[in-house]
Amino acid sequence: AQKVTQAQTEISVVEKEDVTLDCVYETRDTTYYLFWYKQPPSGELVFLIRRNSFDEQNEISGRYSWNFQKSTSSFNFTITASQVVDSAVYFCALNRNAGNMLTFGGGTRLMVKP
Amino acid sequence: DTAVSQTPKYLVTQMGNDKSIKCEQNLGHDTMYWYKQDSKKFLKIMFSYNNKELIINETVPNRFSPKSPDKAHLNLHINSLELGDSAVYFCASSQLGQGENTGELFFGEGSRLTVL
Repeated sequence: AQKVTQAQTEISVVEKEDVTLDCVYETRDTTYYLFWYKQPPSGELVFLIRRNSFDEQNEISGRYSWNFQKSTSSFNFTITASQVVDSAVYFCALNRNAGNMLTFGGGTRLMVKP
Repeated sequence: DTAVSQTPKYLVTQMGNDKSIKCEQNLGHDTMYWYKQDSKKFLKIMFSYNNKELIINETVPNRFSPKSPDKAHLNLHINSLELGDSAVYFCASSQLGQGENTGELFFGEGSRLTVL
């Protein structure tokens, strides 16, 4: 069985602060895929990143960065110099290799205050 | 062109009614899904269809009946609506197997169902 845990249900920061959203996963598969999605107040699910289990290289995209550590089964997401527009619910998710079921964490609501 | 489109976007109805939500994808994917997002934002899979065949049914009540007339469409029909059915329903699609987008689901914009 697969499981994704986002222990932080809600985080509040002030603009320009850095913030890290935690994600811990459980799976028995040796090959799997990890994802982060953003859900802004408008409600749609916006794909942010996909990571293969065999690629532990960290990734940076602008103010976003992801830290994948297989040893601790974690795939954390950091936003540097947060902005009000980053306010959203962020979901971490896991899928099996060639899998057909994306398992989501419970989401972390990020509020960035001006 | 919208990749995964759902209609209607909003649906308000009375308890006991029957309603449908339609979903279409133009990505050429072979697998489609319905996810339910409750008021606490939990996202949970309901159904998955691969090439019009049901492959996942996650203990969803019989009142929910998905129908896939072809691999580009997956509709959700709900009978005898209950208050607890109020949620946002997301349709998604993916292509199973190896490839650049393995495991990635493409989501529609969601359909907010409110049962009064």
